[in-house]
Amino acid sequence: DTAVSQTPKYLVTQMGNDKSIKCEQNLGHDTMYWYKQDSKKFLKIMFSYNNKELIINETVPNRFSPKSPDKAHLNLHINSLELGDSAVYFCASSQANRQNEQFFGPGTRLTVL
Amino acid sequence: AQKITQTQPGMFVQEKEAVTLDCTYDTSDPSYGLFWYKQPSSGEMIFLIYQGSYDQQNATEGRYSLNFQKARKSANLVISASQLGDSAMYFCAMREGRTSYGKLTFGQGTILTVHP
Repeated sequence: DTAVSQTPKYLVTQMGNDKSIKCEQNLGHDTMYWYKQDSKKFLKIMFSYNNKELIINETVPNRFSPKSPDKAHLNLHINSLELGDSAVYFCASSQANRQNEQFFGPGTRLTVL
Repeated sequence: AQKITQTQPGMFVQEKEAVTLDCTYDTSDPSYGLFWYKQPSSGEMIFLIYQGSYDQQNATEGRYSLNFQKARKSANLVISASQLGDSAMYFCAMREGRTSYGKLTFGQGTILTVHP
């Protein structure tokens, strides 16, 4: 019973292509996130949605566009991929409560050639 | 300025010994939460423990405890009775503000290696 799932797990593509990563959570959470982990393992927030509304949009190029069709899904579309986009992308979800720990998906390793 | 600092790039511990992973944070918000996550070599992020800024007692979860020193702005993770399976990267993270759906700001991580 996967709590937060992402597809695909690996994505290898050429520079200039457009690609999407899908995320789904079955925890009934109302908030979802996208994080990027670079080659040095540094994790940084990209976006956050609460009840399908964008609430966090960190300094991310507008080639990255998140879409939340419903509370259980948050997809990430990337246009005109660049070499520097190579990273592991993590989706996470949480429920508004006192502790608010975020549950992470398994990650999607994106390699841009 | 770094909001979360983990000064130990790597740590080694003997199996069954205890180990402390350091984390200091910087915030002017009186309301915040501190988290520790484990990332094994397989890559997933596993939530370990949480400490709220208003919590009076240090958090504990099984073999994990958080040594929270508010005045010093430190939130060190203590792992007791280390096991080989504890070998992984460990991240300290902070959520600022009362908003329950705030972003997590992560430290650089500490690689822990447990020797048999």
